[in-house]
Amino acid sequence: KAGVTQTPRYLIKTRGQQVTLSCSPISGHRSVSWYQQTPGQGLQFLFEYFSETQRNKGNFPGRFSGRQFSNSRSEMNVSTLELGDSALYLCASSLPTSFTYNEQFFGPGTRLTVL
Amino acid sequence: AQKITQTQPGMFVQEKEAVTLDCTYDTSDQSYGLFWYKQPSSGEMIFLIYQGSYDEQNATEGRYSLNFQKARKSANLVISASQLGDSAMYFCAFGSNDYKLSFGAGTTVTVRA
Repeated sequence: KAGVTQTPRYLIKTRGQQVTLSCSPISGHRSVSWYQQTPGQGLQFLFEYFSETQRNKGNFPGRFSGRQFSNSRSEMNVSTLELGDSALYLCASSLPTSFTYNEQFFGPGTRLTVL
Repeated sequence: AQKITQTQPGMFVQEKEAVTLDCTYDTSDQSYGLFWYKQPSSGEMIFLIYQGSYDEQNATEGRYSLNFQKARKSANLVISASQLGDSAMYFCAFGSNDYKLSFGAGTTVTVRA
């Protein structure tokens, strides 16, 4: 069974631009979560989607948005990029049963550098 | 909000020896899950082991075991017979009914030959 895939793996953008990251979950997984990892703040939750509905959102500005499609694939978008948005963005998927009892399987991440 | 604390920024362990990584959490939830992940230098988060709050027995997965002490709110990871490939960052994470994982700051493990 294929794992979680994220595209692109690496991205370099300049301040003010926008970026879209993509995540394809493991087949059969309907919950997709996004996390931002930086050396200073560690791993922080961005948002979680299930059946195209956002069920939770982390404490990030409105420049960060996401969506999920009917095939469970998810995208996140960051508009008006800032230097501080440079980070590893990780996507995770899990089965549709109780959240606490399912492992979150992570993708390899997208490393975004903002110049 | 849940708080996950990993007090050991870095640890060194000799090959073939066991190492214990500490994790404590603060929650008022009754139903929750505790997870451990390994992150090598490549960046990918690898799921290691899970413990549910209602599980009476400590979880084990191969060389990984979780020492769960619910009353003390601790969920320490024990890696037995360390291997060079175990060198990585290890994260403890807490999951509850709010559809997210809260992570600790992580512990870097370096295995020496």
